[in-house]
Amino acid sequence: QQQVKQSPQSLIVQKGGISIINCAYENTAFDYFPWYQQFPGKGPALLIAIRPDVSEKKEGRFTISFNKSAKQFSLHIMDSQPGDSATYFCAASKQTGANNLFFGTGTRLTVIP
Amino acid sequence: NAGVTQTPKFQVLKTGQSMTLQCAQDMNHNSMYWYRQDPGMGLRLIYYSASEGTTDKGEVPNGYNVSRLNKREFSLRLESAAPSQTSVYFCASSERLGNIQYFGAGTRLSVL
Repeated sequence: QQQVKQSPQSLIVQKGGISIINCAYENTAFDYFPWYQQFPGKGPALLIAIRPDVSEKKEGRFTISFNKSAKQFSLHIMDSQPGDSATYFCAASKQTGANNLFFGTGTRLTVIP
Repeated sequence: NAGVTQTPKFQVLKTGQSMTLQCAQDMNHNSMYWYRQDPGMGLRLIYYSASEGTTDKGEVPNGYNVSRLNKREFSLRLESAAPSQTSVYFCASSERLGNIQYFGAGTRLSVL
């Protein structure tokens, strides 16, 4: 059973547009929600993360929106650039106790010049 | 600064062969992990080691064994490779469980 569901599977956006990737989870014990970015041939790298005590976190052009009641969180990439073309993974974990990181299935983003 | 180093980068095996994937980190992290990445499946945890001397099963441990050789090194062994183990394998480490995980560049394994 997929602990974290991610959509869409792929996304094509024009340069300058907004890219939006959505994730949903079931386990209410999750309290850490990171997003990883992966370029071809590379390992994933942490992009931005949020904890459920805030509804939004912004770092540059990247923003996480978090809806605790709906158990959903999303990544918004503003002014998308060709260099943002990569696969994005959302993830969730519990920060205490047995705290494996559960990943979504990934979204391949292509930003067209 | 190397971070997490995985060897080899590519490997082709025949069904039934064995091999060990190596992983080393130079960040003095306590926790280390092995994942596999398959198309449409995301990253799935195979085994992890919370600290030196301990290992635990993840989501998909069948067909694999691990060894936490010391604080720096965490190896993944396939005793009898199967085509279903064709995948990209990633090692990761974190200061401790629950902290940011840092990934290696991956090992691309094909089992024929």
